[in-house]
Amino acid sequence: GAVVSQHPSWVICKSGTSVKIECRSLDFQATTMFWYRQFPKQSLMLMATSNEGSKATYEQGVEKDKFLINHASLTLSTLTVTSAHPEDSSFYICSARTSGRSEYNEQFFGPGTRLTVL
Amino acid sequence: GQNIDQPTEMTATEGAIVQINCTYQTSGFNGLFWYQQHAGEAPTFLSYNVLDGLEEKGRFSSFLSRSKGYSYLLLKELQMKDSASYLCAPMDSNYQLIWGAGTKLIIKP
Repeated sequence: GAVVSQHPSWVICKSGTSVKIECRSLDFQATTMFWYRQFPKQSLMLMATSNEGSKATYEQGVEKDKFLINHASLTLSTLTVTSAHPEDSSFYICSARTSGRSEYNEQFFGPGTRLTVL
Repeated sequence: GQNIDQPTEMTATEGAIVQINCTYQTSGFNGLFWYQQHAGEAPTFLSYNVLDGLEEKGRFSSFLSRSKGYSYLLLKELQMKDSASYLCAPMDSNYQLIWGAGTKLIIKP
């Protein structure tokens, strides 16, 4: 099946530092990648949608200058949390979708990155 | 607005059958997905319905009624490993998935 990886799987950082999370589609080309955030016992919250080679579309309430998204290739998207603060601590999950590979147009999820900001 | 309604939590016994219901309201509709999410992990795809009716896949079946804005996930022969959250996610006219908080399913021996 289609595999999506994320790196790192968990990260602990000091308040004020920046953290970069990578999302890779390993065996398919992802025309669209999604970034989600999930707090404990809450639903997935879509942060942004990115298409390869174009600027990401951010959901309402998500600061694009704080959460920088780059989708430079069909297999890699990165999310950089700039000047992270404790309230940014969360589970960040990426997903990827491709046309043609998927029968159902479903999103394939990465394993997630748990970010803890001290 | 867009809305998903699922029970917050359900409990069932190992070996039994459980049905998780979902009602939804979306701007347009391009099918409905069910995902399974174990604690601390990302969601994994279970099923997709775009036409009315029942789709069966092994121990899991999913049903859709578009006119009623209703779907259910049926799990048979429950196993302890089925303890997880089950997320009903319809896709709107922009092909965006709409997520609810999911149903936490607890399986007891």
